[in-house]
Amino acid sequence: DQQVKQNSPSLSVQEGRISILNCDYTNSMFDYFLWYKKYPAEGPTFLISISSIKDKNEDGRFTVFLNKSAKHLSLHIVPSQPGDSAVYFCAASQDNDYKLSFGAGTTVTVRA
Amino acid sequence: DGGITQSPKYLFRKEGQNVTLSCEQNLNHDAMYWYRQDPGQGLRLIYYSQIVNDFQKGDIAEGYSVSREKKESFPLTVTSAQKNPTAFYLCASSIGGSTEAFFGQGTRLTVV
Repeated sequence: DQQVKQNSPSLSVQEGRISILNCDYTNSMFDYFLWYKKYPAEGPTFLISISSIKDKNEDGRFTVFLNKSAKHLSLHIVPSQPGDSAVYFCAASQDNDYKLSFGAGTTVTVRA
Repeated sequence: DGGITQSPKYLFRKEGQNVTLSCEQNLNHDAMYWYRQDPGQGLRLIYYSQIVNDFQKGDIAEGYSVSREKKESFPLTVTSAQKNPTAFYLCASSIGGSTEAFFGQGTRLTVV
């Protein structure tokens, strides 16, 4: 039973525009959320995280929004750049739990 | 440089043979993990270890075994009992729970 869902397998966006990636979760005990970026044949790299006590966290071009009541989070990338073309994974864990649950990923393609 | 090293990057084995994937980290992290990625799916947790000489099963541990004799090393053995061993295997480490995990570059295992 997948507890973290990324319902959009792919997203195409023009360079310079905003990319919005969505993630839904079913486990109300999750309180720590992360986004990872992954290129083919490489390991994921950590992008940004947010804990449940916040509803927004920003790091440069990347902003993560958390809506706990809706069990939904999103990642905004502004402005999108060609190097942002990759697979993005949403992940979640419970308080002090070592286990991360991952979504299936969204493939982002940034068009020139 | 600090990081996680997985070797080899590509591995081929005949069906019915056991194979061991190497994972070493010099980040001084207590926790280490093994994930498996299949096409179109997210990362699924195989095993994790919170501390030396201790490890726990993840969501898909059947057909796999691990050891954690040293803090820096967390090898994964894919046994002949694993029914679908061909996959991309990722090792990760973290300081503890509810923190970001850092991933290695992955090992692609192909069983023929």
